Amino acid sequence: NAGVTQTPKFQVLKTGQSMTLQCAQDMNHEYMSWYRQDPGMGLRLIHYSVGAGITDQGEVPNGYNVSRSTTEDFPLRLLSAAPSQTSVYFCASSPTGGYNQPQHFGDGTRLSIL
Amino acid sequence: GQQVMQIPQYQHVQEGEDFTTYCNSSTTLSNIQWYKQRPGGHPVFLIQLVKSGEVKKQKRLTFQFGEAKKNSSLHITATQTTDVGTYFCAGHTGANNLFFGTGTRLTVIP
Repeated sequence: NAGVTQTPKFQVLKTGQSMTLQCAQDMNHEYMSWYRQDPGMGLRLIHYSVGAGITDQGEVPNGYNVSRSTTEDFPLRLLSAAPSQTSVYFCASSPTGGYNQPQHFGDGTRLSIL
Repeated sequence: GQQVMQIPQYQHVQEGEDFTTYCNSSTTLSNIQWYKQRPGGHPVFLIQLVKSGEVKKQKRLTFQFGEAKKNSSLHITATQTTDVGTYFCAGHTGANNLFFGTGTRLTVIP
């Protein structure tokens, strides 16, 4: 099994550009989420989804959009990139609901905004 | 808002010494999970504790969940170079959001 796959692994953008970070899982997990990791701040939840067609905001949703049209895919869109969005982005999944479930993480996307 | 703090932020130990990281939440947690992230890698789930006062062991690692379910600790006995990485605690407050701690970066000096 591939588990959770994120693409691209690295990306450099200019301020104001938009892009989509891809996340796919092949474990038939209902719950998927996006985190950003910044030095000294741990991982902060951006958006999450408890199933296809359902998404909700986490701690730091501003500047990001998500959709969940299939169980497998959960893309994260940066609408107009800003330097403050320079970070490492992790996608994670778990079987159901998130609560009491171990999170399975992808390898991350390292994003730099110039 | 919900805050989960970990101390220390960094820890350097000689190989063979013990190591402990502490996790403190501003609110009561439903559970506590621990993750390890190797340098350049992604977080990997280690263990989950649910009950007040619970203690679990994995070989040289001992995990505790506080009686008030607001704090937790991870203790590693006789560290090895393979223990290098950042250790994160994370907990739910009952909803779907999993709040991560700030992490403790462990360096083991051979």
